[in-house]
Amino acid sequence: DVKVTQSSRYLVKRTGEKVFLECVQDMDHENMFWYRQDPGLGLRLIYFSYDVKMKEKGDIPEGYSVSREKKERFSLILESASTNQTSMYLCASSFGRTDQETQYFGPGTRLLVL
Amino acid sequence: AQSVTQLGSHVSVSEGALVLLRCNYSSSVPPYLFWYVQYPNQGLQLLLKYTTGATLVKGINGFEAEFKKSETSFHLTKPSAHMSDAAEYFCAVSDSGATNKLIFGTGTLLAVQP
Repeated sequence: DVKVTQSSRYLVKRTGEKVFLECVQDMDHENMFWYRQDPGLGLRLIYFSYDVKMKEKGDIPEGYSVSREKKERFSLILESASTNQTSMYLCASSFGRTDQETQYFGPGTRLLVL
Repeated sequence: AQSVTQLGSHVSVSEGALVLLRCNYSSSVPPYLFWYVQYPNQGLQLLLKYTTGATLVKGINGFEAEFKKSETSFHLTKPSAHMSDAAEYFCAVSDSGATNKLIFGTGTLLAVQP
């Protein structure tokens, strides 16, 4: 079974803090994605990566950055956390770049910024 | 640009009743369509997907969906609801261009009453 793990289930941070969210997949997948999930808005893509050391902006990249130093690990960074970044963050991975590939999701990190 | 509309943010059914969750899409190219389910405090899990071929797609847990090109719809159904079906359901369409990006709907929260 594909396993996508996220470093924390719940996080509480202060405004202005630098926040790291880690995601690891164990299936040698090429692609990795970061989404945020908010009530009534569904999932919105923040950043994604097709290979080590590469990244592409999604629909809402402002206030975020990412890092992919190893194939299995994709980190989301909030350089200076703000209250409007309070959300559920979901990581996903998939095998190839065809449009029919299934994305596999981690359990999510619920972030509260005070 | 691709988009997805899920009609009804909340749907409530009785146990044993038919489940019908609606999804309409907009796509400039033949779409790949997905239904994901999110149980409380978990990540998303693939229920089923349509890529090519048979328009009636069967998924896990007794769910199925029919791709209707003329109606640009991909509604999810289950003949008889179980209490364990209570969850949030997301419809998604592939973003075109061999990117494996998904465009998600805003989700439908299904409640199952005893």
